[in-house]
Amino acid sequence: AQKITQTQPGMFVQEKEAVTLDCTYDTSDPSYGLFWYKQPSSGEMIFLIYQGSYDQQNATEGRYSLNFQKARKSANLVISASQLGDSAMYFCAMNSGGSYIPTFGRGTSLIVHP
Amino acid sequence: NAGVTQTPKFQVLKTGQSMTLQCAQDMNHEYMSWYRQDPGMGLRLIHYSVGAGITDQGEVPNGYNVSRSTTEDFPLRLLSAAPSQTSVYFCASSKGAVGQPQHFGDGTRLSIL
Repeated sequence: AQKITQTQPGMFVQEKEAVTLDCTYDTSDPSYGLFWYKQPSSGEMIFLIYQGSYDQQNATEGRYSLNFQKARKSANLVISASQLGDSAMYFCAMNSGGSYIPTFGRGTSLIVHP
Repeated sequence: NAGVTQTPKFQVLKTGQSMTLQCAQDMNHEYMSWYRQDPGMGLRLIHYSVGAGITDQGEVPNGYNVSRSTTEDFPLRLLSAAPSQTSVYFCASSKGAVGQPQHFGDGTRLSIL
């Protein structure tokens, strides 16, 4: 069985500062994928970034980067230079064991202050 | 390019009523799934399909049925609505390959009175 844990129900950050959203995972399968999604107040789910378990380098997509620490089973999302539009719910998700249907964490609410 | 289309966007039902939430995708994705989102619970998987004619249960399947007669459509049926099924429902599709993300519909907000 696979499990995703997001321990921060809510986070606050000042505009233009960086913020890290935590995600830990548990799986016995050596092959897995980790995803982050953003859900703004309008409700849609937006894919942000992906990290594969065999990827040698941490994934980056613009202002988003994934701090992947395999030994610690953590896949934290780092948002640099926060913007007001980054205020949203953020979900970490994982698939493993040959299944491409992910399991989601409970999410972290991020509020960016001006 | 429509992506994943869910209908209706909002629905109010009475306890005991049945209804079908529609989901269609035009990306020729093999994998489709239904999630429900409740406050503080994240997205929980209800049912999923890895191709036409193939469906399987997720984490919270009770009270829901699905079928997949075509690649494009994956309807979710509530057999006898209960207040505990009040939620936001998301349909998603993906290519079913390494690194491929889910593409989500806009969601259906369902209230059961």
